[in-house]
Parts: sequence; structure tokens; C-alpha cells
Amino acid sequence: AQSVTQLDSQVPVFEEAPVELRCNYSSSVSVYLFWYVQYPNQGLQLLLKYLSGSTLVKGINGFEAEFNKSQTSFHLRKPSVHISDTAEYFCAVSDRYNNNDMRFGAGTRLTVKP
Amino acid sequence: DTEVTQTPKHLVMGMTNKKSLKCEQHMGHRAMYWYKQKAKKPPELMFVYSYEKLSINESVPSRFSPECPNSSLLNLHLHALQPEDSALYLCASSQDAGLSDTQYFGPGTRLTVL
Repeated sequence: AQSVTQLDSQVPVFEEAPVELRCNYSSSVSVYLFWYVQYPNQGLQLLLKYLSGSTLVKGINGFEAEFNKSQTSFHLRKPSVHISDTAEYFCAVSDRYNNNDMRFGAGTRLTVKP
Repeated sequence: DTEVTQTPKHLVMGMTNKKSLKCEQHMGHRAMYWYKQKAKKPPELMFVYSYEKLSINESVPSRFSPECPNSSLLNLHLHALQPEDSALYLCASSQDAGLSDTQYFGPGTRLTVL
């Protein structure tokens, strides 16, 4: 089964600063990659996903991520964060041939300070 | 309509009670999922239904019993739970099984077992 490592459990950042949330996956086969956001007391919302094609993926709320196969990474970036971006962010991976089984990383808590 | 609804939002039950969690989607999705999420942890897959048939059971104890009465509904029947089963239970659905489809999550049911 796939596994995902989110290298930072917490990322504090000031408003309007850039941010990068790191994600690495373990795989010997082709994968699909996802970033989800979870606001307090809510379910998960998809930010973006990589299936194939261009390695730079743009998502909602100004987020983007870059798929790097050689480094098995899928880091999430935003050039300028807002207070409202404060949330838990989960990277997830699924096997291209068994997409029902999606595995989540441990999550990164992004806190945006004024 | 890209909404997955879950009821109830909150549930408190004793260890001898029997209760059910409900999930509904009207997006025509044919795959539905139950996840368990403990505090400050990522969601963990419990069950997957594909075309109303149970396709994945991640070694979940028998005190959790899933049911998919039709393609729009997914239930999780609870009986004789333990306090460590207290968690946020998330339902999700996706267009089809085995493809690169996005999982849409409901807001969850927060379960407390006394």
C-alpha cells in the first residue's frame, strides 16, 4: 500500500507571506496525488489533484502543487496566505490501479498570524 | 449539487446502545466510503462500497456494520462500542470505483461513546 509523509506537523506563517507545505510519498508504481483542506469541525475539501500531464497543478483558493516524480514529492504552495487559510492540510495518495484505497498523510496544521 | 450530507452531526451513546449513522449523496456517484478520524489524526479508511457492494473492509471490528440500501445512501450501524471508538466519522463518495475520481466528503458525525 502507498504511504505519505508530511514533513511538518505545524507551520506558522504571517499573513501575506508565502507558504510551502511538504509532502512525500512512497511508491514503486504510478499514483494519483491529492491535497485536501479541513477547517475546524468540518469535513475535507479537495484543493487540487494530480492525475497525469502537467506537473504543476493549480487548485482552488490560490493554491498550487508540483509533482516531482524523481523526488517522489508533491509540495503545496501559496504565494500569499490569508488568515482564512488557517486549517489542517492533508496530502493523500492512491494507487493508480486501486484508486478506492486512498491513504492520507498525518496532516500539517497551517496557522496564519496577523 | 456536490454535497454529501451526514446525520446526525453529533451523537453521544453508551456502550450498550445501538445507533446508526447516515450518509446521503445525490450526485449519482457509485462509490461510497466510511472513514474514521481521531483528534489531530488523518482519516482512516474503514469501508468502501462500489455499486452498492462492499469492496473494501479494512479489518474493522464487527461492532461497526455498514449498509448500502441504494446508490444514494450509506449507513453505519453501531453496537456495543467502546470509548476508544469516539471519533469523527466521515462519509465520502466518488463518481466511480477504480478511477481517478475525486472523493467528496461530508461534514462528519462526531461520535462520543461513554
